[in-house]
Formats: sequence, C-alpha cells, structure tokens
Amino acid sequence: DSGVTQTPKHLITATGQRVTLRCSPRSGDLSVYWYQQSLDQGLQFLIQYYNGEERAKGNILERFSAQQFPDLHSELNLSSLELGDSALYFCASSAMGVGPLYGYTFGSGTRLTVV
Amino acid sequence: AQSVTQLDSQVPVFEEAPVELRCNYSSSVSVYLFWYVQYPNQGLQLLLKYLSGSTLVKGINGFEAEFNKSQTSFHLRKPSVHISDTAEYFCAVSVVGGGFKTIFGAGTRLFVKA
Repeated sequence: DSGVTQTPKHLITATGQRVTLRCSPRSGDLSVYWYQQSLDQGLQFLIQYYNGEERAKGNILERFSAQQFPDLHSELNLSSLELGDSALYFCASSAMGVGPLYGYTFGSGTRLTVV
Repeated sequence: AQSVTQLDSQVPVFEEAPVELRCNYSSSVSVYLFWYVQYPNQGLQLLLKYLSGSTLVKGINGFEAEFNKSQTSFHLRKPSVHISDTAEYFCAVSVVGGGFKTIFGAGTRLFVKA
C-alpha cells in the first residue's frame, strides 16, 4: 500500500457521460498530480494541485477539470466522455510543492472504460 | 523543453542474466532523473533517483543507474534479474528549479524468462 488511495478502481460508462475520480494523497503530502496512461500516448501529465491551489496544467482537455479540497483529497472530473478517454488515470502525491524533488508516490489507478 | 527517450520498448532476458535498460534525456538546464517500476495492475513505484553528487545511484531491488551528463543518459542496470523483475520500467526527468511536473518516457517492458 503506497498510501495514496484512488477510487473507484474500475469504472465503465457510456459516451457522453460524466464521471468523477477521487484521490487521497499520502499523509503529509500537499501536492497532488493527475496522470493519464494509455497505450498510444503513454503517461501524460494532466494537472497539479498544491494545498488546494492549481499549480500546473499539462495536456488536460477542456472537458476535464479537477480540484483539491481543504482535507487535501482531489477529484478529477471527466465530462462528455469519448471512447478515446478510456485509459488508466493515476494520482500521485509528493511532499514538495514545487517539483517532486523526492519522487512521486503513486496510487494504483482508476481504469476508465468508455463504451 | 525537456524530453525523455527510452531506447528499447521491450527487453527479454533470461533469469540470472544481467540487464540494462537505456534512457536518454534532453534538457537545456539541470535535471533530476528518476526510474519507476510498474508491476501489472499497479501504480508506479520509485526505484531510484539522481539529484546531485555521485553519478552512480543505487535503488531498491538491486537496481542501480548511472548518470552520464556528457551523453545525457541515465541507464538502469541489474547484475542478475529474477522472474519477479518482470514489469514496465519508466525513466523520468524533472527540471531543477522550475519543475512542477515530471516528464516520463514511453516505458520499457522487461520480460524475464526462466
């Protein structure tokens, strides 16, 4: 157990729907990062939050949004889902606010299947 | 902008043989370098990291990596692999001083055969 908790582990939904993925960071970590892993794109950085504030954006679509709450858990919202959004979504946390100096701790991921 | 290239998509090797997984990076500024391992149906786990100092870095599970600044490489090695080392390995780079994100390579699948 890495200490980063992601729910749900699996999610199957239809095109056009909206889903919410949840992540609880490791105790003491203030930064949360979201990554999308697919066979054709590899591991792509989506977005980072630090202590409730957005810090960096990567290749995140406008249909996707995220937030980090006061208790530091984070949610990734995916809307108007398309078949191509099917992927593994990972959350990672780190102790550092700017730059993962000591590396990330990853959760076990949420596998999203859009049918 | 920085980038990471893992030169082999798949590496098959027999058990107890040595292995090297190759990683080259591109960056105009100093970087931190990492190797992560992903076992089937699991998240990524940090194997080792290079921040500064000695260019030979030792990690978990008997892995080590050598930072070569002139060749911009950070190859991962293990002198004797086990079946349990079968996994996907990712090289990653973060920019010193400006990095709020880490760029990952495409991954190398290590397949250890009995």
